[in-house]
Amino acid sequence: AQSVTQLDSQVPVFEEAPVELRCNYSSSVSVYLFWYVQYPNQGLQLLLKYLSGSTLVESINGFEAEFNKSQTSFHLRKPSVHISDTAEYFCAVSNTGGFKTIFGAGTRLFVKA
Amino acid sequence: NAGVTQTPKFQVLKTGQSMTLQCAQDMNHEYMSWYRQDPGMGLRLIHYSVGAGITDQGEVPNGYNVSRSTTEDFPLRLLSAAPSQTSVYFCASSQQGDTQYFGPGTRLTVL
Repeated sequence: AQSVTQLDSQVPVFEEAPVELRCNYSSSVSVYLFWYVQYPNQGLQLLLKYLSGSTLVESINGFEAEFNKSQTSFHLRKPSVHISDTAEYFCAVSNTGGFKTIFGAGTRLFVKA
Repeated sequence: NAGVTQTPKFQVLKTGQSMTLQCAQDMNHEYMSWYRQDPGMGLRLIHYSVGAGITDQGEVPNGYNVSRSTTEDFPLRLLSAAPSQTSVYFCASSQQGDTQYFGPGTRLTVL
């Protein structure tokens, strides 16, 4: 069975500071990994994903995540956050060719001015 | 292209009542899923479907039924609502194992 652990439930950070949101997963098979973002009172939308190839993946708004197979991690980073990045972030895993996606409990990022 | 649509957006039920949450997608995706979102618990999978006529249980299926008669539609039925089913419900669709596309959600309160 697969599982996802997001190590921080809340991360407060000042604007323009760097941030890392941590995600660890467990799976006995090859996986796809995702980060989704949820802005207040909205549904979830994809931020970035790892399916294969380069282990470093990037989003259009400056976030990046690195797939580390040996540490079973997929941490999300941004070198300089903006107020508009305030949202809840969810890490998710599905097994390659599989049917189910399992989500972590979420990390609430709060960017302060 | 509307993506994934859900109705209603809000619903209040009394304990014991039944209702159906509607979900439709126009992307011809094979896979559809229902999740519930509760504070501090992330999204938990209720039921999912890998194609018309094929459904299976997720992590928290008790008290819910689903069916998939067409590729487009995947309704979720609450058989006898309980206060523990107060939650925000999201429907999602995807191609095999790839990005999930979510609907806007249904906020359900059971009194």
